[in-house]
Amino acid sequence: AQTVTQSQPEMSVQEAETVTLSCTYDTSENNYYLFWYKQPPSRQMILVIRQEAYKQQNATENRFSVNFQKAAKSFSLKISDSQLGDTAMYFCAFTLLNFGNEKLTFGTGTRLTIIP
Amino acid sequence: EAGVTQFPSHSVIEKGQTVTLRCDPISGHDNLYWYRRVMGKEIKFLLHFVKESKQDESGMPNNRFLAERTGGTYSTLKVQPAELEDSGVYFCASSQETGVVSPLHFGNGTRLTVT
Repeated sequence: AQTVTQSQPEMSVQEAETVTLSCTYDTSENNYYLFWYKQPPSRQMILVIRQEAYKQQNATENRFSVNFQKAAKSFSLKISDSQLGDTAMYFCAFTLLNFGNEKLTFGTGTRLTIIP
Repeated sequence: EAGVTQFPSHSVIEKGQTVTLRCDPISGHDNLYWYRRVMGKEIKFLLHFVKESKQDESGMPNNRFLAERTGGTYSTLKVQPAELEDSGVYFCASSQETGVVSPLHFGNGTRLTVT
């Protein structure tokens, strides 16, 4: 079975600083996707960024980027120039490619607080 | 377009009672998923509908949980009888296509408390 581990239950950082959230996963498969989801307080969970395992290049989305280390099974999220609106629970997630039967395996989440 | 809506947002029931959660996916989304987060733990997959059919229900914890999606539109998740360990946040998500092609759109979740 696949597992996802987020070892940082809570983090806080000053506004405008850079923060990195860690995520490790365990799988014996080779074809999979990794995701970071964000759930702001009292709001819906939304996709922040995703990474295909077969791609060596790290995904980036504006201020959000990942450091994908396939051999180490590590998938950290870096938020640059953090903003107050980045305050949220962040969940790392994994799915195998399974012909339309994909389902997400999540970590326990990291609660990130951006301090003004 | 309207997002995924879930009702109720909160529910407090006593052990042994029945609760029904509802999810309205984004219009046109054939894929509907239920997930659950027990307090402080990871979010876990419960099941996946494609239209009205159950594609994968491997995550359903036991036969006290019953999910339906009549007509392939909204879905309900009934817990009967509820137990203390059923407390948590139940998330619904929908997507236009299966797999990783289209992203999941999540609802706000229903927080269920069983006392």
